[in-house]
Amino acid sequence: DPKIIQKPKYLVAVTGSEKILICEQYLGHNAMYWYRQSAKKPLEFMFSYSYQKLMDNQTASSRFQPQSSKKNHLDLQITALKPDDSATYFCASSQEGQGVEQYFGPGTRLTVL
Amino acid sequence: GEQVEQRPPHLSVREGDSAVITCTYTDPNSYYFFWYKQEPGASLQLLMKVFSSTEINEGQGFTVLLNKKDKRLSLNLTAAHPGDSAAYFCAVINSGGSNYKLTFGKGTLLTVTP
Repeated sequence: DPKIIQKPKYLVAVTGSEKILICEQYLGHNAMYWYRQSAKKPLEFMFSYSYQKLMDNQTASSRFQPQSSKKNHLDLQITALKPDDSATYFCASSQEGQGVEQYFGPGTRLTVL
Repeated sequence: GEQVEQRPPHLSVREGDSAVITCTYTDPNSYYFFWYKQEPGASLQLLMKVFSSTEINEGQGFTVLLNKKDKRLSLNLTAAHPGDSAAYFCAVINSGGSNYKLTFGKGTLLTVTP
């Protein structure tokens, strides 16, 4: 059974629209993250949450808003989508603590037309 | 902030040969180091975590060497086979900054031909 679930696997959106990327983890972890991978940039850290609290935000734009409704959920809302937002978005999770291993979900591939 | 340079971007070897991928980093506070493997269209699979001082870690079919003095991390796939064909990424966490942020290298696309 998959331990980190991301939905949907593929997503196509039009410029200016809003989408929510879903992430659920069943590893019993207390920390969750979002990363982005695109053709133009390497894997890029976006957010980290620990016990449902924002720990670090490296995203310059407020159009990206993480949402944690439960301890094992960390969704990513993206508003006013732009073609440059096209990327694969990976959710990851880990135990709480310094330098612990992060485990990645299967990713959501977002294409903005 | 931390910068991680990974070389080479592409690597092609024959089955049975070794393949070496190297990362250098800039921040002396970098403390935790990771190697991930990403097969085409798939997610990132954690291969190994290393930390502390100069260290050699052996995994299944590969060796990881960390040299903190030179700020260098390497992955050596010994006797590569076609199933090793994938993108490999090194990643670093700094003890002085965010405990959570992985800074990745740009990746190495490894092709192992029979």
